[in-house]
Formats: sequence, C-alpha cells, structure tokens
Amino acid sequence: EAGVAQSPRYKIIEKRQSVAFWCNPISGHATLYWYQQILGQGPKLLIQFQNNGVVDDSQLPKDRFSAERLKGVDSTLKIQPAKLEDSAVYLCASSTFSRQGRGYTFGSGTRLTVV
Amino acid sequence: GDSVTQMEGPVTLSEEAFLTINCTYTATGYPSLFWYVQYPGEGLQLLLKATKADDKGSNKGFEATYRKETTSFHLEKGSVQVSDSAVYFCARTQGGSEKLVFGKGTKLTVNP
Repeated sequence: EAGVAQSPRYKIIEKRQSVAFWCNPISGHATLYWYQQILGQGPKLLIQFQNNGVVDDSQLPKDRFSAERLKGVDSTLKIQPAKLEDSAVYLCASSTFSRQGRGYTFGSGTRLTVV
Repeated sequence: GDSVTQMEGPVTLSEEAFLTINCTYTATGYPSLFWYVQYPGEGLQLLLKATKADDKGSNKGFEATYRKETTSFHLEKGSVQVSDSAVYFCARTQGGSEKLVFGKGTKLTVNP
C-alpha cells in the first residue's frame, strides 16, 4: 500500500512569511496527525483529526498555526507568520485500528528552516 | 501528564556489541508501547510494539518487553551492526484518542 505522502520535502522561508504543508494519508485511515519535531527532540503532537473533525489541538499555537482536513482525506498545515523557533521537521501520520491494535504510519516529513 | 523517559544519548558501540536503550513510562491507563527508528534524513519507522503487559515485541533482532511492574519497555539487541546507526524513539499511546507521545530519542552510532 502507498505510504503517507507529504510535500514539500524542504522549505526555507524568512521570518514573518507564511508557509503551508500538505499531507495525503493512507487510504481509509480515518485518523490523521501533525507532529512537530525540533532538532534533537522527539516529535510533539500539534493536532489530531478524526475524519474531518479536530480531536486534539491543545498544543497547536493557534495564533499562528492552523490546520484543516477537508473531506476527511488530505490535510494542510499552515504557519502565518513564521518565527525562527518554528524551524523543525513537520511530520504527518495516519492511523487505523485492526486486530493487532492501532497502527500508525508516518510520512517522510517537511523540513522547515526559518531564517 | 503522561510521559515517556528515555536514556540520554548519544550511545556509541562497536559492531557486534550488546545494545540496551532504557525507556520508562508514566503508569496511567493501559497504553500500547512502541519503538520507532529514524535513519538519517528519513521519517519515523515502526520497529516494534507491544499492546499489553508481558507482551514482547521483536523485529530485525531487536526486542522489548512490556513490564507493567517496572513501567518499562527497554530496547535490546544482542549484536548490533553498523546499519543500526540511527535515532531510536520510545513512544506510548495516551488517552482515549490514542495519540502517540514520544520520548526525546536516543542516537546510536555503531562503529566497524
């Protein structure tokens, strides 16, 4: 099966600019996650969707970050305006539940550098 | 809140050495436990998982046992290879939404 697709792979922007990331999850996976991974740290959940509804966005900096998942498939994460501390890898993941429990699949990520 | 604590890295070993990376978790609920591996420039890949107490996850020579009594899920491998050089993350599910919470990661370097 195809994996979780993300684009772009890399992005360099200046502070105060805006940027958007795109994610296409595995077909049929109802749950989609956006994680932020700062260099040298573990991934931190930004937002979790169940179909097109938000389940958890408690750690999303809502003054500058926004995300949507129209039609419960693809998702976009936007940062506006970007700050230097937003430099990180943004990982998208999707999951589904099976007899073996919940399985999670991660995309390759988008590496954002804010200068 | 719920958390995962991994041993600090980096860890440097010679080829064929024994590997242990410690991981402990906060004992709330009945989480599933995971080890993910991240090779340089790549995304996270599931290495192994365990869904209940006393389960042993294993893959590619790596093993970890879900120990409820010690709230631990230590990763072990009997003989590491240069190709095992990567960053390893311990993770647990949290809450009814089953989101993944990660440790800070442990960088492993294996020298020939």
